[in-house]
Amino acid sequence: SQKIEQNSEALNIQEGKTATLTCNYTNYSPAYLQWYRQDPGRGPVFLLLIRENEKEKRKERLKVTFDTTLKQSLFHITASQPADSATYLCALDETGGFKTIFGAGTRLFVKA
Amino acid sequence: GAGVSQSPSNKVTEKGKDVELRCDPISGHTALYWYRQSLGQGLEFLIYFQGNSAPDKSGLPSDRFSAERTGGSVSTLTIQRTQQEDSAVYLCASSPIISEETQYFGPGTRLLVL
Repeated sequence: SQKIEQNSEALNIQEGKTATLTCNYTNYSPAYLQWYRQDPGRGPVFLLLIRENEKEKRKERLKVTFDTTLKQSLFHITASQPADSATYLCALDETGGFKTIFGAGTRLFVKA
Repeated sequence: GAGVSQSPSNKVTEKGKDVELRCDPISGHTALYWYRQSLGQGLEFLIYFQGNSAPDKSGLPSDRFSAERTGGSVSTLTIQRTQQEDSAVYLCASSPIISEETQYFGPGTRLLVL
């Protein structure tokens, strides 16, 4: 069966450290993978998109990697700040935008 | 508008009642999506619209759920004869075109069925 899995346990890290979140998928062949941030009581907000032919994508303190052999994406936040505390969702799409599948998300807590 | 808006923000209803949830997408966005998010769960895809047309309704949980979009803009998700398991946050998103990858989400409607 098709699955998209993110670590359900919350990640607690100290301010200034690098946070690394994992997204694994099975039985999908995504054209691209996205990461979204969701704050309590709010809708998800798009952060980064990485395509199947890209290994790495960066945006400011964010970095995403995509390994289609391992069927895994890693999401890194460097020099983390308490304001980075949120739930981070990965999402993939095989169909070119018609049906995006979201993971359940990983909650990140950054302590000052 | 500046972003996707949804109304009401919160809805409490009694089991068996019908509810209507509204989504106003970003002006000019032709693609519109509905998702459901239960506590601790990922977003569950319900339906998407390309213009006023919904090519794939297979994500709707049951025949109590229906959605429509008029004028290529506002969309309404209707749940008939609500059940307690319908309690969730219903999120709407839009994108400029259906093949545009990034989706812009509204704040959601929190539905509680008593």
